[in-house]
Amino acid sequence: ETGVTQTPRHLVMGMTNKKSLKCEQHLGHNAMYWYKQSAKKPLELMFVYSLEERVENNSVPSRFSPECPNSSHLFLHLHTLQPEDSALYLCASSQGGDRGLYEQYFGPGTRLTVT
Amino acid sequence: AQTVTQSQPEMSVQEAETVTLSCTYDTSESNYYLFWYKQPPSRQMILVIRQEAYKQQNATENRFSVNFQKAAKSFSLKISDSQLGDTAMYFCALASRGAQKLVFGQGTRLTINP
Repeated sequence: ETGVTQTPRHLVMGMTNKKSLKCEQHLGHNAMYWYKQSAKKPLELMFVYSLEERVENNSVPSRFSPECPNSSHLFLHLHTLQPEDSALYLCASSQGGDRGLYEQYFGPGTRLTVT
Repeated sequence: AQTVTQSQPEMSVQEAETVTLSCTYDTSESNYYLFWYKQPPSRQMILVIRQEAYKQQNATENRFSVNFQKAAKSFSLKISDSQLGDTAMYFCALASRGAQKLVFGQGTRLTINP
């Protein structure tokens, strides 16, 4: 596996379900991100983890719960979601710091539908 | 606050034509980086090109080049000899040095017609 992978690629869940999205990066990066991409809206940054520590939480509802057990893995735990949470959820990673490589590398995304 | 604005929601050109996508930004930082990302219909976001603000020379990557106007805070992407595979959403993004997040524009949907 290379780059950034995400599973599952598609997920349909009811509002009372609990599910998790998984992201794995194989690039040796030290930061990972969750984004929400809805139709006709800009990318919304949800969470940022740097060196496994959450450094940003952009006022995301508590029904979204991130977890970063190590620098290669990132999870997004979902529970009691609403239909408006249906979107493409993108994971990304980057290697910042003095090397100045601030570009992010993205996974293919998980298409989430909440019914 | 930093902002990135892409004023062209959609564009369409014929194959082999040259197309320019516009991006303006606002930041109070002096050290920053600018990026263009491409998101084809398959959805994987791919980095197209990056520009360091301290470099005066415009970045180029094969058929992709930028016109970076620092004083005007403008960062346009030129695609030469456009191909059907260039059909995608294109996002302009800004990152300050030392910050670990990107600020994205709204995106431009580019369609290359045969």
